[in-house]
Amino acid sequence: NAGVTQTPKFQVLKTGQSMTLQCAQDMNHEYMSWYRQDPGMGLRLIHYSVGAGITDQGEVPNGYNVSRSTTEDFPLRLLSAAPSQTSVYFCASMWGRGNTEAFFGQGTRLTVV
Amino acid sequence: GENVEQHPSTLSVQEGDSAVIKCTYSDSASNYFPWYKQELGKGPQLIIDIRSNVGEKKDQRIAVTLNKTAKHFSLHITETQPEDSAVYFCAASNTGANNLFFGTGTRLTVIP
Repeated sequence: NAGVTQTPKFQVLKTGQSMTLQCAQDMNHEYMSWYRQDPGMGLRLIHYSVGAGITDQGEVPNGYNVSRSTTEDFPLRLLSAAPSQTSVYFCASMWGRGNTEAFFGQGTRLTVV
Repeated sequence: GENVEQHPSTLSVQEGDSAVIKCTYSDSASNYFPWYKQELGKGPQLIIDIRSNVGEKKDQRIAVTLNKTAKHFSLHITETQPEDSAVYFCAASNTGANNLFFGTGTRLTVIP
């Protein structure tokens, strides 16, 4: 099992460009989520999904879109990148809701110039 | 929503000493409290968790305590080793929700 796989690992964007961060898991987990990690602010939830076809907003959703067409994949889209979106992005998956272990990907370091 | 505060933000200890990291939470409905370790360039990884029906849990050199009345929980690492150096995050959630709320992290450095 590969666990949670994120691509790319590094990305530099110009302001206004769009891109998609990919996330895939092979553990058949229902729940997937995206976090951003900024210095001194810990991990903040962007969007999450409790199953295929269902998504919802987290703490900091503005500027990001998600979709969940399959159980395995949960891409994060930046429609018009801004410097404030410079961050490290982590995808995570869980077997179910509430109190179960979250498995994280290796992260994507995004810089918007 | 839930607010998790974590202290200290940085902690340096001599190898073999103990390290303690403390967190507080605001939502009395939270009933699950995991701790994650993040090594450089990697994603966070679960090291121990505790549920609200338990006051203390231990796994070798790592222990977690929970005080529901005071809404705080702590991570204790004994006999620290250089490989314990990492960033540690506490988190809180409840069974009815889907989301983990994280603290701001503690960078632990173990000095050989």
